[in-house]
Amino acid sequence: GAVVSQHPSWVICKSGTSVKIECRSLDFQATTMFWYRQFPKQSLMLMATSNEGSKATYEQGVEKDKFLINHASLTLSTLTVTSAHPEDSSFYICSAAGDTWNTEAFFGQGTRLTVV
Amino acid sequence: SQQGEEDPQALSIQEGENATMNCSYKTSINNLQWYRQNSGRGLVHLILIRSNEREKHSGRLRVTLDTSKKSSSLLITASRAADTASYFCATEKAAGNKLTFGGGTRVLVKP
Repeated sequence: GAVVSQHPSWVICKSGTSVKIECRSLDFQATTMFWYRQFPKQSLMLMATSNEGSKATYEQGVEKDKFLINHASLTLSTLTVTSAHPEDSSFYICSAAGDTWNTEAFFGQGTRLTVV
Repeated sequence: SQQGEEDPQALSIQEGENATMNCSYKTSINNLQWYRQNSGRGLVHLILIRSNEREKHSGRLRVTLDTSKKSSSLLITASRAADTASYFCATEKAAGNKLTFGGGTRVLVKP
């Protein structure tokens, strides 16, 4: 299957700083990427849909000024958590979609963010 | 918002036994997917079943889909300790791979 690489796999940052997470599709062009967040022992919740060359679409309740998404190319989307606080500590995971539908989604390995 | 609900939330079985978990959803779908997640790790895709399919198999996994009841089940036969993980169903409502995840079932397989 297609490979999606997410980096870093874990990061610890100080409260008030910003953290950037990268999601790359390695062997296909991803017109759309999705960013999910997962709190401990909970399910994955969609945060936003990232479309190449256009603004991201955020789910209700997700602050777009806090979670900046950039999808500058067909192989890279970035999520920047700005002014991070301890409550932003979570597991962030991306998935990428190509041009076909009704097929499996390809997920990155996830990023464990801890804000201290 | 969560579309899928899974039950049970947690399941503890002995190695060799079968494990069954269920997923219900609310709206029409293109497909339903099952994923496994080991603690603190990424997602592993298990099976995708399309809305016009009723049953699929993959190794020790069997998935059923009943669109009239808006429900799906995942059966793991002859479970192994390595099957210990959380299992999530996810539905794709429209084209584009946007998924809505269920709450997950935590499975513990005791050796």
